[in-house]
Amino acid sequence: AQKITQTQPGMFVQEKEAVTLDCTYDTSDPSYGLFWYKQPSSGEMIFLIYQGSYDQQNATEGRYSLNFQKARKSANLVISASQLGDSAMYFCAMREGDAGNNRKLIWGLGTSLAVNP
Amino acid sequence: DAGITQSPRHKVTETGTPVTLRCHQTENHRYMYWYRQDPGHGLRLIHYSYGVKDTDKGEVSDGYSVSRSKTEDFLLTLESATSSQTSVYFCAISVTSGGTSTDTQYFGPGTRLTVL
Repeated sequence: AQKITQTQPGMFVQEKEAVTLDCTYDTSDPSYGLFWYKQPSSGEMIFLIYQGSYDQQNATEGRYSLNFQKARKSANLVISASQLGDSAMYFCAMREGDAGNNRKLIWGLGTSLAVNP
Repeated sequence: DAGITQSPRHKVTETGTPVTLRCHQTENHRYMYWYRQDPGHGLRLIHYSYGVKDTDKGEVSDGYSVSRSKTEDFLLTLESATSSQTSVYFCAISVTSGGTSTDTQYFGPGTRLTVL
């Protein structure tokens, strides 16, 4: 079974609007971490935002925020005020267990976002 | 910029030839990883290292070997390249903050390998 599911293969958004990219996860470990990465057409993988399972508040980094719903096992990425440069593939990933002992990530298949002018 | 370089950035080789990809980091991070990225499969872990001479297999390790003789270098070798190993290969390091509470992987620029 997929441990990280990104159900939206492709998304479109108008410039300056907000967009939500979905990510659901599956783990029985009470300690885990959730990550979002961006991969533009140039190919590099860029870290965006992190949410720990014990974090009390949703993570935010500039225009990126993470809508973390623990009971639903979802960690959706919200991009506010979309820009043309946000057009890219976005990957959700999970680390099961504590960071100290296990640093391997499980990856989703990604969502392609296109921002229209 | 996490100070990660990969070489070569592009390579075309023939089936059956050995290929070595190099990942170099400048910040002495303990954990390093090799991934491959293919359409429809996302990122898949090949091998990883948790210190000099300490390595372990990932989910797609068949046909690959690794070595780490220095903290800064992590080498990925395809002993006898096959067309199924045509892919984009990424190296990553794990950076810890806040003690061990948060670790984040940062990636090199990638190597595009084509096996004919």
